[in-house]
Amino acid sequence: KAGVTQTPRYLIKTRGQQVTLSCSPISGHRSVSWYQQTPGQGLQFLFEYFSETQRNKGNFPGRFSGRQFSNSRSEMNVSTLELGDSALYLCASSSWGREDALDEQFFGPGTRLTVL
Amino acid sequence: AQKITQTQPGMFVQEKEAVTLDCTYDTSDPSYGLFWYKQPSSGEMIFLIYQGSYDQQNATEGRYSLNFQKARKSANLVISASQLGDSAMYFCAMREGGGTYKYIFGTGTRLKVLA
Repeated sequence: KAGVTQTPRYLIKTRGQQVTLSCSPISGHRSVSWYQQTPGQGLQFLFEYFSETQRNKGNFPGRFSGRQFSNSRSEMNVSTLELGDSALYLCASSSWGREDALDEQFFGPGTRLTVL
Repeated sequence: AQKITQTQPGMFVQEKEAVTLDCTYDTSDPSYGLFWYKQPSSGEMIFLIYQGSYDQQNATEGRYSLNFQKARKSANLVISASQLGDSAMYFCAMREGGGTYKYIFGTGTRLKVLA
């Protein structure tokens, strides 16, 4: 079974631009979560989608948005990029379908975004 | 509020020896899961082991075992017979039940295995 894939792997943008990152979950997984990882803040939860619905959101400004398609693929968008948005963005998929399901998440390789 | 604490920023271990990475957590939810992930320099997070709050026995996966002490709210990872390839960042994470659908991660421990 193929793992979680993320594209692109590396991205360089300038301040003020916007960026879209893509994530394809493991086949059969309907939940996709996004995390931002920086040396200073560690791993921080951005949002989680299940069946095209956002179920939970972290404490990030509205410049960070996401969506999920009917095939469970997900995209996240960051508008008006700032220098502080430079980070590794990780996507994770899970089969979570019930509130009390404590399945593990499987992570993709990440997209390393550099904002100049 | 849920919280994960990893107090060891860095650890060294000699090849073939065992090492324990500490993790304490805080939650008021009786239903939760505890996870350990390994992140090599390549950046990908690799799932290692899982412990559910209602599990009676400590989880084990090959050379990895989780020392789960519920009353103390600790979930330490034990790696036996360390290998050079074990050098990486290790993250402890927790997910509560009740529909939160998100993980909280600790700050990680960087493990270096010495030859």
